[in-house]
Amino acid sequence: DAGVTQSPTHLIKTRGQQVTLRCSPKSGHDTVSWYQQALGQGPQFIFQYYEEEERQRGNFPDRFSGHQFPNYSSELNVNALLLGDSALYLCASSFRGMNTEAFFGQGTRLTVV
Amino acid sequence: QKEVEQDPGPLSVPEGAIVSLNCTYSNSAFQYFMWYRQYSRKGPELLMYTYSSGNKEDGRFTAQVDKSSKYISLFIRDSQPSDSATYLCAMSEGSARQLTFGSGTQLTVLP
Repeated sequence: DAGVTQSPTHLIKTRGQQVTLRCSPKSGHDTVSWYQQALGQGPQFIFQYYEEEERQRGNFPDRFSGHQFPNYSSELNVNALLLGDSALYLCASSFRGMNTEAFFGQGTRLTVV
Repeated sequence: QKEVEQDPGPLSVPEGAIVSLNCTYSNSAFQYFMWYRQYSRKGPELLMYTYSSGNKEDGRFTAQVDKSSKYISLFIRDSQPSDSATYLCAMSEGSARQLTFGSGTQLTVLP
């Protein structure tokens, strides 16, 4: 049983560029949440997708957008990258919008130079 | 002030010791409390999940929640070198609400 998978594992982008990160949820899960984890900090909630709609959003600018596909996989897009966007981006999957037993992927390490 | 405060450590203990990890919070609406373990360069792994106040035990791990004091704890008995990781507390107002994490405590268990 595959867990949460994220791609790519590492990425280096230049300031001002755009990036797309991908996530496939754990089998049987239909909800995907995205988190940003800066070095030495806990994950910060970006947004949650359930039934192909953004259901909740944290305190992140509109440069951060997402999408959920009919197969429940999800993308996180970040436009106009800033140096401060360098972080580990985590995807968590759960069932029916329930976040309290969420399973995390291994993350995508984004470095903006 | 952050909603969830967690002592960052680092915490270093000998193998076999009892470890106590703690978080305090300010949002009285939090009802669900979780502990995650995160190994270096990996995603967080759910260890314990509790609802409201009380204790929950799972093997060597015990989670305690004291809502009156806005304080939660994770105890690890008979700690092992494989327990060396960063431990994150997380909370939410409802089962479908977003998780709010502490900044994590880095634990090293020395053989």
